[in-house]
Amino acid sequence: ETGVTQSPTHLIKTRGQQVTLRCSSQSGHNTVSWYQQALGQGPQFIFQYYREEENGRGNFPPRFSGLQFPNYSSELNVNALELDDSALYLCASSLDGAGYGYTFGSGTRLTVV
Amino acid sequence: AQSVTQPDIHITVSEGASLELRCNYSYGATPYLFWYVQSPGQGLQLLLKYFSGDTLVQGIKGFEAEFKRSQSSFNLRKPSVHWSDAAEYFCAVGAGAGNNRKLIWGLGTSLAVNP
Repeated sequence: ETGVTQSPTHLIKTRGQQVTLRCSSQSGHNTVSWYQQALGQGPQFIFQYYREEENGRGNFPPRFSGLQFPNYSSELNVNALELDDSALYLCASSLDGAGYGYTFGSGTRLTVV
Repeated sequence: AQSVTQPDIHITVSEGASLELRCNYSYGATPYLFWYVQSPGQGLQLLLKYFSGDTLVQGIKGFEAEFKRSQSSFNLRKPSVHWSDAAEYFCAVGAGAGNNRKLIWGLGTSLAVNP
């Protein structure tokens, strides 16, 4: 079975721009969660999508938005990028959020300059 | 509010020595507890998890952890560390219910291994 894949692996953007990060969930998984990990910090929960609907959100502003597609892949969109958005963005997939059986991707390293 | 504390920011051990990484949690109900490892530039790999039952759980790579409810702790141990164990280790607690679940993470402990 394939694991979770994220693209791109690295990205550099300018403050004020918009960015889209992509995640392909593990085969058979219908739940995708996104986390932001700033340098030297633990991951912070952004939101979770279950069967194409957002069903949980952390303490992030509305300029962080997402989508989940019928094949359960997902996108994270961030508008009006700020310097503090520079971080590793991690995607994790699971089946129905059950048992917290999260499989994580390797992440996208976003640098905002 | 749920929280996870990893008191040690950085630990250095010699190869072959034993290891214990500390984790304390705050959670109102019976916690679901996890340890993950992150190598430089990599994503997170699950080492082990505790949901219920035996309080001593075995994980991959020779790691184990013990859940102690009275101390609100879930410390990670390994009897003999290998150089390849150098990485960042995160403890996490599962929060939420049903299909609305998330992990709450500690700040991590960076492990260095001396040859």
